[in-house]
Amino acid sequence: GAVVSQHPSWVICKSGTSVKIECRSLDFQATTMFWYRQFPKQSLMLMATSNEGSKATYEQGVEKDKFLINHASLTLSTLTVTSAHPEDSSFYICSARESGGAFVEQFFGPGTRLTVL
Amino acid sequence: AQTVTQSQPEMSVQEAETVTLSCTYDTSESDYYLFWYKQPPSRQMILVIRQEAYKQQNATENRFSVNFQKAAKSFSLKISDSQLGDAAMYFCARRDYGQNFVFGPGTRLSVLP
Repeated sequence: GAVVSQHPSWVICKSGTSVKIECRSLDFQATTMFWYRQFPKQSLMLMATSNEGSKATYEQGVEKDKFLINHASLTLSTLTVTSAHPEDSSFYICSARESGGAFVEQFFGPGTRLTVL
Repeated sequence: AQTVTQSQPEMSVQEAETVTLSCTYDTSESDYYLFWYKQPPSRQMILVIRQEAYKQQNATENRFSVNFQKAAKSFSLKISDSQLGDAAMYFCARRDYGQNFVFGPGTRLSVLP
């Protein structure tokens, strides 16, 4: 299957700082990328969907000014957590999907653990 | 809300034995896909098995098979000859055509030696 990478795999930051997480599709072009958040012992919660070259679509309850998503190329999407606070500490997972076809496989990155002190 | 339900928060199985994880879902669509994902301690989501709703034949991948009951909106996962490496969180998910995943709450599977 195709590979999706995330960088960094874990990050610790101070409260009030901003953190950028990168998601890359390594061997395919991802027209659509997804960002999920997962709290301990819970399921994945979709935060936003981004299509290359257009603004992200955020799920209800997700602050778009806090979680900035940029999908500037077909292989890269970034999630920036602005002015991070301890409650933003979580596991963030990206997922990428190619375009076209009746069914399109969706691939998951390995996740990024964010700890805000 | 169109949901995915996994009624077993935790399950355990003896090594080499068989275990079945339950999943029910709700949808108004006739064309959709169902998945089982495994999330080991590394947290990497791994696709275990996929089922297209229009196919009546149950999907099988080696030791993993499903029992898909479309009318009952049920999609259980059977793991045969369980191995220690099967220990993980298992998420059932539905994806309507062209739409996003809807994940269940997960079942934590322990494999006992």
